[in-house]
Amino acid sequence: KQEVTQIPAALSVPEGENLVLNCSFTDSAIYNLQWFRQDPGKGLTSLLLIQSSQREQTSGRLNASLDKSSGRSTLYIAASQPGDSATYLCAVAGGTSYGKLTFGQGTILTVHP
Amino acid sequence: DGGITQSPKYLFRKEGQNVTLSCEQNLNHDAMYWYRQDPGQGLRLIYYSQIVNDFQKGDIAEGYSVSREKKESFPLTVTSAQKNPTAFYLCASSAQLDSQTQYFGPGTRLLVL
Repeated sequence: KQEVTQIPAALSVPEGENLVLNCSFTDSAIYNLQWFRQDPGKGLTSLLLIQSSQREQTSGRLNASLDKSSGRSTLYIAASQPGDSATYLCAVAGGTSYGKLTFGQGTILTVHP
Repeated sequence: DGGITQSPKYLFRKEGQNVTLSCEQNLNHDAMYWYRQDPGQGLRLIYYSQIVNDFQKGDIAEGYSVSREKKESFPLTVTSAQKNPTAFYLCASSAQLDSQTQYFGPGTRLLVL
């Protein structure tokens, strides 16, 4: 059974700092890995999706990498801003269908001015 | 304006009562999903539906029921058999079950009186 773990559980940084969020998964037979953002009491917004054949994806100040063989992904946020404060979740798609996602427990990020 | 709507935003359940959470989408998506989120935990799949009049159990289906009579609607009923229903419930949809991007609604928070 796939298990997804995110470290750290919470992170507090000053504005402008570069930071890395970590995600690990136990079964390397995945189709893709996604990073989501969740604001308090809200739904999820997809940030980046990495196919299993890809090594990284970039969107603006965000860069996500994938090392499928070691079961690891990182989300790098450059020049963090207070508006980046949210919970970040990673999810892997695998098994018999792309549609069934397994989520990590999330990292709560606080960027203070 | 396309998207997924969930109602109500907050729902209160009395002991022994069944309650129904609404999920509607106007994205013309075939697949729909229900997830449960507990504090400090990731999302867990309750039920999913690939197409109208079809649905399958997810990882934690006990105490829940669903129907899919219309393409745009996928209501979730939390029955009295669910002994720990307090959680944040998220509905999602994707074009097909194997689509790689799921779009999430804003969520319903269920509380027990």
